[in-house]
Parts: sequence; structure tokens; C-alpha cells
Amino acid sequence: DAGVIQSPRHEVTEMGQEVTLRCKPISGHDYLFWYRQTMMRGLELLIYFNNNVPIDDSGMPEDRFSAKMPNASFSTLKIQPSEPRDSAVYFCASSLADVGNTIYFGEGSWLTVV
Amino acid sequence: GESVGLHLPTLSVQEGDNSIINCAYSNSASDYFIWYKQESGKGPQFIIDIRSNMDKRQGQRVTVLLNKTVKHLSLQIAATQPGDSAVYFCAAPNYGQNFVFGPGTRLSVLP
Repeated sequence: DAGVIQSPRHEVTEMGQEVTLRCKPISGHDYLFWYRQTMMRGLELLIYFNNNVPIDDSGMPEDRFSAKMPNASFSTLKIQPSEPRDSAVYFCASSLADVGNTIYFGEGSWLTVV
Repeated sequence: GESVGLHLPTLSVQEGDNSIINCAYSNSASDYFIWYKQESGKGPQFIIDIRSNMDKRQGQRVTVLLNKTVKHLSLQIAATQPGDSAVYFCAAPNYGQNFVFGPGTRLSVLP
């Protein structure tokens, strides 16, 4: 299995620009999570989906953040407009509900907003 | 909701010694816990998990202990190796399929 695949791995963008992060979950998994990791706040859940439907987006910091899951094999996290405080590592993760709830993470997208 | 904390942000051990990383949780109803390892530049990797109906679970060189009375779990790594250097997180369910992660302990293995 290829695991959770994220792109881009690294992105540097200017303040005000739109950023789109992409994720392909593990095939067959029915939960998808977007986390953000910073030194100050650690790993924070932004949003998660079940069977492509957003279940909880209470962790999305502002209206500038949006996430979609158009099908079972693809999700996007969009930031528009981006700000320097959005600089962080964004992780996508997936799980299959009936096998112990273990969440498997991708390698992350390292975002720097200058 | 659940909150998870760790006792030490950093831990240094000699190569070959055993490492013990601790974690505390707040919700006595939590029934499942996971330990993750995160190496520099990578995503968290699953190490081992434990359900609340167990006190101990062993893997390859790793053991997780769960003390439900004091809401504490620990990860023990036997014969610590340089490749074990990483940040270790414990995670507990918050609600539904969501997990809350502790702040992490950075383990450094000294030669």
C-alpha cells in the first residue's frame, strides 16, 4: 500500500496568495483528517470527513480555510488568502473505522507564507 | 473533551538503555490509546496501541502500559537505538473518530 499521499511536500508562497494542498487517502479508508502542526500548538485537527462528508470542521481557524472531498480518493485543503501565521506543516491522515481506529498519516505539506 | 499531556518535553538516553516516555489523559471514559513516532521531516507513524481492557501490550522492543486508575500511560523502548531518536506522541479519542494528541516528547539517543 502506498500510504497517504500528500502534495506538494513543500510550498513557499507570498501573503495573499491562494494555497491548495492535496491528499490521497489509503484506498478503502472511510475517514479522512486534516491536521496542522506548529511548534506552539502541536498537532491540531482542522476537519475530518466520513465517506466524503465533512463531519466536524470546528478546528478550521477561519473562513479563509476550506476543505473538500469530492470523492473517496481525493481531498483538498485550501487557504485563501494566505497569511504568514498559516505557516505550518499540514498533515492529511486516513483511517478505517472498523480496524481499531488507528489513524495513518501522510508525510505532510510544509507551508511557508512570506 | 479529552486532553492529553506529557510529563517531559525532552528525554535523553544512552544507546542501549531503556527509555520510558509518559503520557497523561483526562477522560476516564477513553477506551483506546495510540503511540506515534515522528522523525524529523516526516509524518507521525503508528507504533503501538492499547485498549482500555488491557493493562499492558508488547510489540517489538516496545511496551505500552496503561494505568486507568491514575489515567496514565507509558511507552517503554527496550535497548534504545539511534534510530529511535524522534518525537513521540500519545493520542486518545476525543469524540467520534477524532483523536487528540499530546505535545510530544523528543527522545535523543546518546552514543
